[in-house]
Amino acid sequence: GQQLNQSPQSMFIQEGEDVSMNCTSSSIFNTWLWYKQDPGEGPVLLIALYKAGELTSNGRLTAQFGITRKDSFLNISASIPSDVGIYFCAGHGTSGSRLTFGEGTQLTVNP
Amino acid sequence: DTAVSQTPKYLVTQMGNDKSIKCEQNLGHDTMYWYKQDSKKFLKIMFSYNNKELIINETVPNRFSPKSPDKAHLNLHINSLELGDSAVYFCASSRGGNTIYFGEGSWLTVV
Repeated sequence: GQQLNQSPQSMFIQEGEDVSMNCTSSSIFNTWLWYKQDPGEGPVLLIALYKAGELTSNGRLTAQFGITRKDSFLNISASIPSDVGIYFCAGHGTSGSRLTFGEGTQLTVNP
Repeated sequence: DTAVSQTPKYLVTQMGNDKSIKCEQNLGHDTMYWYKQDSKKFLKIMFSYNNKELIINETVPNRFSPKSPDKAHLNLHINSLELGDSAVYFCASSRGGNTIYFGEGSWLTVV
């Protein structure tokens, strides 16, 4: 089955720093999604990517769908304390396949 | 007007009891899911229903029984609860198998 490797597993940064995390898959994906889970809440969709090479921003967040269709990254610029949480990548392989999730990146932002 | 709502949010119960978690979505989606998030925060799919029909049934003990009375509802009933069932259970929905929207989670603690 499809596998997603998400890295890093955790990050500890200072407020104001930029953050980058990525996901790689063992097979081609048609869709990449990035979610954020705040403590005590459910995952919330941040960015959805549907085409290879697509670069999409949502405020201070930017995500890209890799050209090879086997990877995606998420960047957060000028981090703030409320960026704390777990970030999940997820992707769809072939049509009709189930959504596969990465193992999450736990982000801690020190004020 | 929460999109995907699940109840209860917190549930503490004794081993051996039977409990249910209810889920409703008002997004007009045709597919609903139950995910389990363990202590390592990994999101694992349990079940998926499309138009009230079961389409994904992962290797889940048959003590777990989903029920979908209509497209907008997917409830999860758990019999003979065990300590290892303690986790966060997320309901989710999507249109087809595309972008998934999660509920806020139900924190189950079995003592």
